[in-house]
Amino acid sequence: GEDVEQSLFLSVREGDSSVINCTYTDSSSTYLYWYKQEPGAGLQLLTYIFSNMDMKQDQRLTVLLNKKDKHLSLRIADTQTGDSAIYFCAESTGANNLFFGTGTRLTVIP
Amino acid sequence: DGGITQSPKYLFRKEGQNVTLSCEQNLNHDAMYWYRQDPGQGLRLIYYSQIVNDFQKGDIAEGYSVSREKKESFPLTVTSAQKNPTAFYLCASNTGLTEAFFGQGTRLTVV
Repeated sequence: GEDVEQSLFLSVREGDSSVINCTYTDSSSTYLYWYKQEPGAGLQLLTYIFSNMDMKQDQRLTVLLNKKDKHLSLRIADTQTGDSAIYFCAESTGANNLFFGTGTRLTVIP
Repeated sequence: DGGITQSPKYLFRKEGQNVTLSCEQNLNHDAMYWYRQDPGQGLRLIYYSQIVNDFQKGDIAEGYSVSREKKESFPLTVTSAQKNPTAFYLCASNTGLTEAFFGQGTRLTVV
């Protein structure tokens, strides 16, 4: 499969911003996604970005895409304790395939 | 409501037994996937299917088998050949470049 890499852990204080990073290898990626997984549950889509975009903002979430460096980031503003979860980035290159990173466990410290 | 349903939520298996995990979707999605998640780790692809009656091995297919006789269903069998089956199993589906929808997962424990 394709390589999608993330750092494993991130801790932030409540109210601060969190930035979760992801790098991928396939330059033909068309859509890039961020998913959130709460304990013992499946994954839920948070947001996505099409590869011809540089940035997408959705309330507290900002996605930045640097296609040249194959780098994707998710910024969560005003991080809350309810944001504590595992965050996965994923890329799709079409033809019904989807590749996930290892996930970043975000811990929000009250 | 459309969605993807996995059952059971918890499953216990004795050593040497085969068990089958169910995954059903009513989203009319072409592709379905099975992932394995170990504690503190990411998702590893076991098998995926892009159309009915066709499926491909993912990165960790050994000890697992699947079938795709209907578009809606993609059951995963964990065979006795899988030496370390205790894990959280996630099923997903999508079509083309759209987002994948996930089931709530099945936690399999070997006793």
